[in-house]
Amino acid sequence: QVQLQESGPGLVKPSQTLSLTCTVSGGSISSGSYYWSWIRQPAGKGLEWIGRIYSSENTNYNPSLKSRVTISVDTSKNQFSLKLISVTAADTAVYFCAREAVAGTVDYWGQGTLVTVSS
Amino acid sequence: EIVMTQSPATLSVSPGERATLSCRASQSVYNNLAWYQQKPGQAPRLLIYGASTRATGIPARFSGSGSGTDFTLTITSLRSEDFAVYYCQQYYNWLSLTFGGGTKVEIK
Repeated sequence: QVQLQESGPGLVKPSQTLSLTCTVSGGSISSGSYYWSWIRQPAGKGLEWIGRIYSSENTNYNPSLKSRVTISVDTSKNQFSLKLISVTAADTAVYFCAREAVAGTVDYWGQGTLVTVSS
Repeated sequence: EIVMTQSPATLSVSPGERATLSCRASQSVYNNLAWYQQKPGQAPRLLIYGASTRATGIPARFSGSGSGTDFTLTITSLRSEDFAVYYCQQYYNWLSLTFGGGTKVEIK
């Protein structure tokens, strides 16, 4: 059973960088058959796909966030990470890491972690 | 960007009754459509993919239909654990996944 767990600061100051890590257990992140994604959800609102990494180095990002987002992977630790620069209050949300199976369906999710952007 | 629109925003249904949720895409996504269920404080759970294929372990009372731009999630004989928010998601544009705004199914 694959499990994902987000970790990182719960509070980030405006204009700074949001950094989160997702630790994957129960399966290898470098298996090549899956895609590793970040998705966020502001309180009381819907889901927004942030981006994904696959085959260890290939990335795709939401066009609306592309200029501020970097997703990377550390296969030795079975982890992947999210960096979002120049954050504002609009970036306050629960951030989920997730696994995409076939071409865009998300079959496993982390529990989510709340990140608040505030001074 | 493919915009996904769900209706209604809230659906009030009595236990044991049927719920019908709609999702419309701004352009054809063929059958590249998934449905998720989300309960308060939890991550979403994949229910349906390929517009009509139930994910592993999903009960048969959940069914999906449609193709192109119009899709439906039907929940027959609602149980207490089915009251939740439901999201549709397109993956036809795989480079930019998009979700609908959600439909909350509440107890009538």
